[in-house]
Amino acid sequence: TQLLEQSPQFLSIQEGENLTVYCNSSSVFSSLQWYRQEPGEGPVLLVTVVTGGEVKKLKRLTFQFGDARKDSSLHITAAQPGDTGLYLCAADSSNTGKLIFGQGTTLQVKP
Amino acid sequence: GAVVSQHPSRVICKSGTSVKIECRSLDFQATTMFWYRQFPKQSLMLMATSNEGSKATYEQGVEKDKFLINHASLTLSTLTVTSAHPEDSSFYICSARMAGTEAFFGQGTRLTVV
Repeated sequence: TQLLEQSPQFLSIQEGENLTVYCNSSSVFSSLQWYRQEPGEGPVLLVTVVTGGEVKKLKRLTFQFGDARKDSSLHITAAQPGDTGLYLCAADSSNTGKLIFGQGTTLQVKP
Repeated sequence: GAVVSQHPSRVICKSGTSVKIECRSLDFQATTMFWYRQFPKQSLMLMATSNEGSKATYEQGVEKDKFLINHASLTLSTLTVTSAHPEDSSFYICSARMAGTEAFFGQGTRLTVV
């Protein structure tokens, strides 16, 4: 069974702080995706990383895919209360759209 | 971007009754749809994969007679929770994709069984 280990599972920080969320696996993935989900809504895709070593930026969010395509990280700079939510990494190793999700990271940014 | 719509967004039903949840791809034809279940403060768990015109493939531990999935057209899949019980209360989310593309998620359905 392919597993995605996501850490930390809970994070509570003050506005303006930086944070990093990790997503690790022993398996190699052709791509990895990061989602953000708000309560009562479906997950919204933030980014897809495909190439080993790839770095993608989305405003204050930086996503990195490990060289071996087994792990990924999400770094948020100067977090804001609007960043509060559940962040999920997911992988589709078979390119069928069947996603395996990490456990999720619940982020709370206090003003 | 592609839009996937779920209906209803919230439903409350009595124990023992059945509930149908619809998942529609509004602006594309979805060859495959996926159904997930999510408990509070937890991640999404894949329940089944649904291909148009064929039987759904269920993940290990998911009762196919309990969770009936029908994918009758390229734009519609339905999940019916049969003889619902309080432990079936959860957030159910679908996703849909065309071949070779990423999957897009619906907004989810909150099911409460009383």
